[in-house]
Amino acid sequence: GAGVSQSPRYKVTKRGQDVTLRCDPISSHATLYWYQQALGQGPEFLTYFNYEAQPDKSGLPSDRFSAERPEGSISTLTIQRTEQRDSAMYRCASSLADGQPQHFGDGTRLSIL
Amino acid sequence: EDQVTQSPEALRLQEGESSSLNCSYTVSGLRGLFWYRQDPGKGPEFLFTLYSAGEEKEKERLKATLTKKESFLHITAPKPEDSATYLCAVREAGSYQLTFGKGTKLSVIP
Repeated sequence: GAGVSQSPRYKVTKRGQDVTLRCDPISSHATLYWYQQALGQGPEFLTYFNYEAQPDKSGLPSDRFSAERPEGSISTLTIQRTEQRDSAMYRCASSLADGQPQHFGDGTRLSIL
Repeated sequence: EDQVTQSPEALRLQEGESSSLNCSYTVSGLRGLFWYRQDPGKGPEFLFTLYSAGEEKEKERLKATLTKKESFLHITAPKPEDSATYLCAVREAGSYQLTFGKGTKLSVIP
């Protein structure tokens, strides 16, 4: 695709529900990153994929958060048993290869009621 | 202690009034310093990557420079369309992730 595509753009859900966010990276990009961005802050790293491998998930806040990229292209970020503190903008980025500039999507705004 | 500190937090300039944004960093082994522009409601848009002290990159009215402790984003004769938040991020040796600063919100007044 022309750019990184994320869906949905907005998600509102009740506390305790599970949510899954989707990221469709730029085609042919090997690496994919998930970030969390609070209002007025820069993005904070969650996890990283190199194709389908997930070498680094050190930024995931708790074991309620998981991500996968089973075929090395589209990725999903799942948050189980959501809590109000999970409310944030979630951004996905991809790059051609490790160390190359990351290109960001427009994000999913998650609100937990 | 923050690894990446940007200053000022906000900057208002008159159209044509040149200035600089600062990004200071404390990492052991820099593998790249990245500048991004972010417009409201949008994801960060890549501008520059700098890898070593003394390196400079230019694009239109923007010029980024790097020393061993900080980077500057110089804006020459800015226009209202340059208004945005400018983010700086660093990649440390041995790490896959980018660590971002909080950004500088630039407003250019006609």
